[in-house]
Amino acid sequence: AQTVTQSQPEMSVQEAETVTLSCTYDTSESDYYLFWYKQPPSRQMILVIRQEAYKQQNATENRFSVNFQKAAKSFSLKISDSQLGDAAMYFCACHGNEKLTFGTGTRLTIIP
Amino acid sequence: DAGITQSPRHKVTETGTPVTLRCHQTENHRYMYWYRQDPGHGLRLIHYSYGVKDTDKGEVSDGYSVSRSKTEDFLLTLESATSSQTSVYFCAISETTYEGGRNYGYTFGSGTRLTVV
Repeated sequence: AQTVTQSQPEMSVQEAETVTLSCTYDTSESDYYLFWYKQPPSRQMILVIRQEAYKQQNATENRFSVNFQKAAKSFSLKISDSQLGDAAMYFCACHGNEKLTFGTGTRLTIIP
Repeated sequence: DAGITQSPRHKVTETGTPVTLRCHQTENHRYMYWYRQDPGHGLRLIHYSYGVKDTDKGEVSDGYSVSRSKTEDFLLTLESATSSQTSVYFCAISETTYEGGRNYGYTFGSGTRLTVV
């Protein structure tokens, strides 16, 4: 079984500043993938970033980057130069054994 | 996303009635999933399919059944709807290669808001 824990129900950040969202996970799979998804008020689930567990290098996508600590089973998301359009729910998720398991989400507010 | 559509977008139904939600994909992906989203719980897996007529249960499968008679369609049925099944339902498809099982991410439909009164 897989579990994903997001311990920050809500976060806020000033526009143009940097914010880090936390995520820990647990899985018995040796081959797994980690994701961050964004869900704006439109309800659409949008893939932000993907990390392959066998790769030590942290994934980056423009202003989004992760800090993947495999031994600690930690997978945090850093958003740099925060923009108003980043306001959304963010979900951490773990894919293993054919299934994707989600955390409970962090609601990110951007303060103008 | 253009590769996956869900219908209907919204539905209100009465307790005890059967309800079927449809998910259609044009990507020819092997894996299809049904999730429900509730406040404080994130998305939880109901059922998933790894091929035509091949399905398996997720963590919240009680009260739900699924069918997949074609690669492109995955149906979720609430046999007798209850108020606890009021939720937003998402379908997802997954691009996983047959060789090595590499996963390239999940694509989600726009969701169905189901209200059981």
